Amino acid sequence: GAGVSQSPRYKVAKRGQDVALRCDPISGHVSLFWYQQALGQGPEFLTYFQNEAQLDKSGLPSDRFFAERPEGSVSTLKIQRTQQEDSAVYLCASSLRGLRGDEKLFFGSGTQLSVL
Amino acid sequence: AQKVTQAQTEISVVEKEDVTLDCVYETRDTTYYLFWYKQPPSGELVFLIRRNSFDEQNEISGRYSWNFQKSTSSFNFTITASQVVDSAVYFCALSGFESYIPTFGRGTSLIVHP
Repeated sequence: GAGVSQSPRYKVAKRGQDVALRCDPISGHVSLFWYQQALGQGPEFLTYFQNEAQLDKSGLPSDRFFAERPEGSVSTLKIQRTQQEDSAVYLCASSLRGLRGDEKLFFGSGTQLSVL
Repeated sequence: AQKVTQAQTEISVVEKEDVTLDCVYETRDTTYYLFWYKQPPSGELVFLIRRNSFDEQNEISGRYSWNFQKSTSSFNFTITASQVVDSAVYFCALSGFESYIPTFGRGTSLIVHP
């Protein structure tokens, strides 16, 4: 597609439910990032993929968070047994090449997760 | 470790005023990159500019200008003659040659009143 696409745009979950958030990056982009943005805060890094390889998952807050990008394109962020503190906007971004600090990121519109 | 500080949480101006958004950074990388992104109400962060650490030349793009000063570890963003459409949250970000994962500041919310 022309840009980074994320779905769903909004997700309401009951505490304890599992959720799956989808990111479809720009075609051909090697790098894919997931960020978490709490209300009034900046994006906080969660995890990074270069093609299908998850090279950095140091930002995942707990083992309830899991991400994958099995074919090097679409990525899914899964949160198990959701808690209220998981409520945030989850942003996906992609960039053309891998392991490059000088590249601009292309962001999706995010998934706003509300855990009740 | 990388750190980006945007001390201004919210700025409110009247249209046509000039406004400067501050960004101070910390990094151990000798080669690094600074960015500004704009996040309108729709939520999607949009890239505005990138500056390399070895290029301290200031840049102007229309009503936007950026002042990079290594001596003070700052990369400030000025909007001249602000317009209502400039209302958004602006983020400063930093990545390095080795620390390639971008780190973002907490953002500055700019409100431009007609």
